[in-house]
Amino acid sequence: NAGVTQTPKFQVLKTGQSMTLQCAQDMNHNSMYWYRQDPGMGLRLIYYSASEGTTDKGEVPNGYNVSRLNKREFSLRLESAAPSQTSVYFCASSEQGQGWDNEQFFGPGTRLTVL
Amino acid sequence: GDSVTQMEGPVTLSEEAFLTINCTYTATGYPSLFWYVQYPGEGLQLLLKATKADDKGSNKGFEATYRKETTSFHLEKGSVQVSDSAVYFCALSIKNDMRFGAGTRLTVKP
Repeated sequence: NAGVTQTPKFQVLKTGQSMTLQCAQDMNHNSMYWYRQDPGMGLRLIYYSASEGTTDKGEVPNGYNVSRLNKREFSLRLESAAPSQTSVYFCASSEQGQGWDNEQFFGPGTRLTVL
Repeated sequence: GDSVTQMEGPVTLSEEAFLTINCTYTATGYPSLFWYVQYPGEGLQLLLKATKADDKGSNKGFEATYRKETTSFHLEKGSVQVSDSAVYFCALSIKNDMRFGAGTRLTVKP
C-alpha cells in the first residue's frame, strides 16, 4: 500500500517551459487535491477534484490546469512556467465526506524550480 | 476571508519541556480545525482534529481544544521528545476550502 505517490521528486524548468506533475493514490479515495507550499505561507490549495470527473479551482489556480484521469490519478500541468511558480507541490487525497472533515493523506512532494 | 494565524517559530525546547503552539482562526461559518505535522522530507500527516466547538482532539500525547469564543485551537503537549521535532501546521476547513497556517518549526534538544 504505497498511499499517495508523486513524480517527479525534483524538477528544474526554464521560464516558458511546460511540465506535468503526476499524482496517484491507491486508497480508493474519491477526492484529490493539489497544494503549493511556499516559505512563510503554509500550503495553499491550487485545484481539487471532489470525485472522478470533476475539478474545481482553489485559492491560487492561475497558471495551472488539472486533469482527473481516473479515480487513482490527478495531474497538475504548468503550461508556461514562471519563476513565481517555484515552490514545493503536494498532492493529497481523502474520502469524500461532509464538508472537508476527513483526513487528507499527502504525498512526499515535488520540488520545482523555475529559472 | 477565512484564514489561520499561528505562532511564528522556530521554537526550540529541551526534552520533556511543555509545548504550546498558538493558533487562531477567522472564518465566516463553522469550520473544522486540524493540526498537521510535517517531518523532514515528507508530506503532511494529520495529528489531530476537532469538528465542532468545545471538541478536544488528541493523539500521541498532543491535545487541542476548539474554542469558539476565542477562535483558537492551540496545540499542547506535556512532555516533548526529540522525535517530535517537525513543522506543525494549523488548518481549517469550511465549505469546499482548506486553509493552512504558515507552520511552526519545533526543534527538541536532548
